[in-house]
Amino acid sequence: GENVEQHPSTLSVQEGDSAVIKCTYSDSASNYFPWYKQELGKGPQLIIDIRSNVGEKKDQRIAVTLNKTAKHFSLHITETQPEDSAVYFCAATPPKLSFGAGTTVTVRA
Amino acid sequence: KAGVTQTPRYLIKTRGQQVTLSCSPISGHRSVSWYQQTPGQGLQFLFEYFSETQRNKGNFPGRFSGRQFSNSRSEMNVSTLELGDSALYLCASSSLGQGNTEKLFFGSGTQLSVL
Repeated sequence: GENVEQHPSTLSVQEGDSAVIKCTYSDSASNYFPWYKQELGKGPQLIIDIRSNVGEKKDQRIAVTLNKTAKHFSLHITETQPEDSAVYFCAATPPKLSFGAGTTVTVRA
Repeated sequence: KAGVTQTPRYLIKTRGQQVTLSCSPISGHRSVSWYQQTPGQGLQFLFEYFSETQRNKGNFPGRFSGRQFSNSRSEMNVSTLELGDSALYLCASSSLGQGNTEKLFFGSGTQLSVL
């Protein structure tokens, strides 16, 4: 089955700085890579996704890049704000939707 | 549109008991998936229902079961509870077809504690 590894497990950044989270996947059949943000006491929320036929996608302060050859993809958050503090999960599918272990991001004011 | 609603929000049970969790998907969504979230194992897929039929199943024992009703509402049941079943159980719905794991909308989950 799919194995998704995510690094780092925790990330602390100064407000205004950038944050980068990296993931690798094992199944070459995977072609859809979403990122979810989970705030305390809530369920994960889809924030951005990318398909294998695209190398990069951007939505305001967040962007995702995909290197299909190397089987890794990354989430970039620029100009971080306190409300960006949360746990971020990467995922890959198919086959089933497999999640990374999560990255706890803390933005210091 | 109302989001995915899960009830109850918190639940405390003892070993050996059984529990039923409920999920109401976003109106119009026919696919409902269940996930178990624990600090040690992360998010693990339990099963997916589409049009009242289980379409996919994760690697969980038979003590974990579920069903979906004609209005797409879903319930998950865990029998003979074990301490290791303590977790946040998340329900997600999707407007896409069966087996499609894209564009999931998650509820806030049911936090189950087994004592």
